[in-house]
Amino acid sequence: GAVVSQHPSRVICKSGTSVKIECRSLDFQATTMFWYRQFPKQSLMLMATSNEGSKATYEQGVEKDKFLINHASLTLSTLTVTSAHPEDSSFYICSAKQGAAKNIQYFGAGTRLSVL
Amino acid sequence: SQELEQSPQSLIVQEGKNLTINCTSSKTLYGLYWYKQKYGEGLIFLMMLQKGGEEKSHEKITAKLDEKKQQSSLHITASQPSHAGIYLCGAAPLGAGSYQLTFGKGTKLSVIP
Repeated sequence: GAVVSQHPSRVICKSGTSVKIECRSLDFQATTMFWYRQFPKQSLMLMATSNEGSKATYEQGVEKDKFLINHASLTLSTLTVTSAHPEDSSFYICSAKQGAAKNIQYFGAGTRLSVL
Repeated sequence: SQELEQSPQSLIVQEGKNLTINCTSSKTLYGLYWYKQKYGEGLIFLMMLQKGGEEKSHEKITAKLDEKKQQSSLHITASQPSHAGIYLCGAAPLGAGSYQLTFGKGTKLSVIP
């Protein structure tokens, strides 16, 4: 159990276009999902916390108009990188928290974004 | 803010050898999590520790949390090539209500057959 699916696994886009990344909890309901960014040989940096039915909470330094997060259902959160630029190229990973009592995050496989 | 320091940064061991990875927090922990990541992939949940002195095992991997809840170690017995990857510790600070995790930079483990 506790499977999180992230799609796409890899995307290459032109500068100025928008890219949507989906994160789905397949066998559990996730009231809270998280979006991370990981640079080469660095740890995960939390970008935002996504709660179902409410606005996402963004970490300091993360532009909310740049990285649009939507958590419309208990099993789906999306991250849209708007007007992507080469500096947005990175590895993006989502996670979903299972249950209210258990504070365990289960991660998707990540999305490698390359902006040309 | 909470910081997690992992040591060593990288480790190369011969298959069959034992090894230990450490994770030290600058603050008392509410929960300590160990994950494994293969390059370019997501994180696989290994174990969660919450109580001081707690120890958990899964197959050949054992994780401990010290009594003061500021340091954890991950021990692998009789390492195998399948253990290779990046091990990350993550922590929820004491009293965190939003369940956000802070991660260490990871320990890259290579196992030589």
